[in-house]
Amino acid sequence: GAVVSQHPSWVICKSGTSVKIECRSLDFQATTMFWYRQFPKQSLMLMATSNEGSKATYEQGVEKDKFLINHASLTLSTLTVTSAHPEDSSFYICSAKKAGAQREQYFGPGTRLTVT
Amino acid sequence: AQSVTQLDSQVPVFEEAPVELRCNYSSSVSVYLFWYVQYPNQGLQLLLKYLSGSTLVKGINGFEAEFNKSQTSFHLRKPSVHISDTAEYFCAVSDPGGSYIPTFGRGTSLIVHP
Repeated sequence: GAVVSQHPSWVICKSGTSVKIECRSLDFQATTMFWYRQFPKQSLMLMATSNEGSKATYEQGVEKDKFLINHASLTLSTLTVTSAHPEDSSFYICSAKKAGAQREQYFGPGTRLTVT
Repeated sequence: AQSVTQLDSQVPVFEEAPVELRCNYSSSVSVYLFWYVQYPNQGLQLLLKYLSGSTLVKGINGFEAEFNKSQTSFHLRKPSVHISDTAEYFCAVSDPGGSYIPTFGRGTSLIVHP
């Protein structure tokens, strides 16, 4: 199998605080992980690509100082939403590629972030 | 650059009826094609994929899709749907010679009525 988990599954935070979301590959090593954002009834928007041990590559229009991504090991990537505001409320989904198998991604279950 | 068009934002259908969800793509190179399903408040689950070989691809839950290069399509079909198939379906395309990062369509909401 290829299982990806995310924690937490749902988080509510106050405006101005920071929130960290974890993405873990449970049974494989992931050299590359991706973070997506999904608004209600819309498709997935790629935010950034993270490679283990190096800086993340952000898509155009995504604030790297706002969305901090760390890929410290082959099984863990974290997304920190800093100084969150209500407009950051969204569904965040991570995915991972297996080392040596680049043709498809395995998706996590997503994290629903609500900023009040 | 690649793009994916899912022509129908919503497809209502009665239980046990057949269904087809349409997907067209544009790409100047060869492609990999995927269909994912997303249930409410969950991540994406791979239904099926076309990487090479037979153009008719069978996936999980009784779904299948056919790659048609001349029509640049990859429509998803199921001969008899169940209530439990109600979900959002996403078509995606990636470039085998590039980064393999998929481009997703806007999604089609399949609504199965009893």
